[in-house]
Amino acid sequence: QKEVEQDPGPLSVPEGAIVSLNCTYSNSAFQYFMWYRQYSRKGPELLMYTYSSGNKEDGRFTAQVDKSSKYISLFIRDSQPSDSATYLCAMKEGGATNKLIFGTGTLLAVQP
Amino acid sequence: GAGVSQSPRYKVTKRGQDVALRCDPISGHVSLYWYRQALGQGPEFLTYFNYEAQQDKSGLPNDRFSAERPEGSISTLTIQRTEQRDSAMYRCASSLVGGSGNTIYFGEGSWLTVV
Repeated sequence: QKEVEQDPGPLSVPEGAIVSLNCTYSNSAFQYFMWYRQYSRKGPELLMYTYSSGNKEDGRFTAQVDKSSKYISLFIRDSQPSDSATYLCAMKEGGATNKLIFGTGTLLAVQP
Repeated sequence: GAGVSQSPRYKVTKRGQDVALRCDPISGHVSLYWYRQALGQGPEFLTYFNYEAQQDKSGLPNDRFSAERPEGSISTLTIQRTEQRDSAMYRCASSLVGGSGNTIYFGEGSWLTVV
């Protein structure tokens, strides 16, 4: 079993829809949770960063972490065709480590 | 530089040859990371450095893989006696400092094909 599980999709939604992306994990030591966006043939870029449980909002994006359920989510409101990309969740333990563990990524297509 | 720079962008090599992949991190970034990303997968951790010190190499698949960062800036990932299963995108990333809360910036990667 992988430490981080993510549905690879693809997920296709119409423009303006609310998108929900999710990851589950098994390592209870994870304390930092991130969402990266990766456009085709490009490197991942950081979208959202959350420490421990709770919600964080940035414009159209909301990240949620539920450590009790080992479940994280990314919501995209009013989705745009420019949001079409692969979304990767990533996590790391607390302490000095910088080792990020990524999910497989979910491919999202927002149809105009 | 403006971003993390990797070279070569594309490398085709014959099985059994050695390959060196280079990473030039963002200027001033202390931490440097190597990841491997297969098609349709997320990046897989290989190793990382703070300055010139290799902090964690637990992700290196076997002893054919090694990495160095001798002067705390440019890094080289070397794969000896390449095998077809080594074919993947190799991504370098850097961050200002290590530890929590520091954004990691990824390069565009070096695509390695072993034939």
